[in-house]
Amino acid sequence: DAEITQSPRHKITETGRQVTLACHQTWNHNNMFWYRQDLGHGLRLIHYSYGVQDTNKGEVSDGYSVSRSNTEDLPLTLESAASSQTSVYFCASGKGDTQYFGPGTRLTVL
Amino acid sequence: QKEVEQDPGPLSVPEGAIVSLNCTYSNSAFQYFMWYRQYSRKGPELLMYTYSSGNKEDGRFTAQVDKSSKYISLFIRDSQPSDSATYLCAMKKGTQGAQKLVFGQGTRLTINP
Repeated sequence: DAEITQSPRHKITETGRQVTLACHQTWNHNNMFWYRQDLGHGLRLIHYSYGVQDTNKGEVSDGYSVSRSNTEDLPLTLESAASSQTSVYFCASGKGDTQYFGPGTRLTVL
Repeated sequence: QKEVEQDPGPLSVPEGAIVSLNCTYSNSAFQYFMWYRQYSRKGPELLMYTYSSGNKEDGRFTAQVDKSSKYISLFIRDSQPSDSATYLCAMKKGTQGAQKLVFGQGTRLTINP
């Protein structure tokens, strides 16, 4: 069955380190999205892509970057992790108006 | 002010009750409206999707959109303990090619047996 996966599921890192969160989907969707979810804020869009080599900034993109070299993957990189980036991160992929979410990555920055 | 406002709750009701969840929005450019359900420590899953004003029913769930008031609702009839989850409203603008969703904060719902 087609699916969307995220890895790692849990990550603890230190302030200042570079961290990359992986997202892989097998639906062949062109659209992929990264969100963070925090209490009191719901889901906020970090970056998104509408196809290979296309990336766009979302609402809370500072300190994050993405690259899209193929249809299946959209890795999210935290260039220099900060404690404010402690959160649960969700990747989603979609076609048209529907988005399908991955299981999430819980990131703690100490 | 947030584009989409949703009461975070928590909301706790007895099994069998009718549940009403609501969101308001400020931007009239929103044309597509969704409700996602998120179980604890899981990703959100699409529950209901609607475009036009009025009601859309799917089993025990009814989505209602009032574009004139910029207000959307999700009703759950005969609520079950398995409905306990966080419910997020989401909206999308009608701009061609724009697939970004704007989410409400989510309402945490508990159905007590």
